[in-house]
Amino acid sequence: GQQLNQSPQSMFIQEGEDVSMNCTSSSIFNTWLWYKQDPGEGPVLLIALYKAGELTSNGRLTAQFGITRKDSFLNISASIPSDVGIYFCAGPRYNFNKFYFGSGTKLNVKP
Amino acid sequence: DAMVIQNPRYQVTQFGKPVTLSCSQTLNHNVMYWYQQKSSQAPKLLFHYYDKDFNNEADTPDNFQSRRPNTSFCFLDIRSPGLGDAAMYLCATSRGQGIDTEAFFGQGTRLTVV
Repeated sequence: GQQLNQSPQSMFIQEGEDVSMNCTSSSIFNTWLWYKQDPGEGPVLLIALYKAGELTSNGRLTAQFGITRKDSFLNISASIPSDVGIYFCAGPRYNFNKFYFGSGTKLNVKP
Repeated sequence: DAMVIQNPRYQVTQFGKPVTLSCSQTLNHNVMYWYQQKSSQAPKLLFHYYDKDFNNEADTPDNFQSRRPNTSFCFLDIRSPGLGDAAMYLCATSRGQGIDTEAFFGQGTRLTVV
């Protein structure tokens, strides 16, 4: 079953605002992945984190791997309408062969 | 260019009629996965192959089977689809080695059961 707790469950923001979401687990993860899923499509990888404390950016997106290895956050700066979608955190378990997903954060952006 | 390709994108099947979903990859990855995703929920892992080794999740119903005839292709067979099996089915791949491993997804197949 799922081992990742993601929050918030949904967000309604105004275009131009910054967004922050996070993911926590009771288990240690060696890799944290952040995906975005548009309606009717498969998840697309946004950012991958491999080291505790690592801070990685991809355009307006920034993600950090928590020091304890049990959490990660994703920030989106200056949101735009195309940021709308569901964001999932994920991590591999059991010899890196199984990927488990957080429950997702649904982002709505008002123009 | 698409690296994980799922066919068809949309599939309608009758209640109880066997259906097969397909996935192919051009990444030469060792691991291929099948996930089931219901509306607004997280993808749920059904099973995965590491090369030819099949790994079933404990809570995956027997109604779901999989085949991987070669590195590039993997199939999901639903023997007797029920209304509760209507969902998005996602195929994914990964290298499966080392901590710097990521999963790459196809576009999914939306299954409707009538």
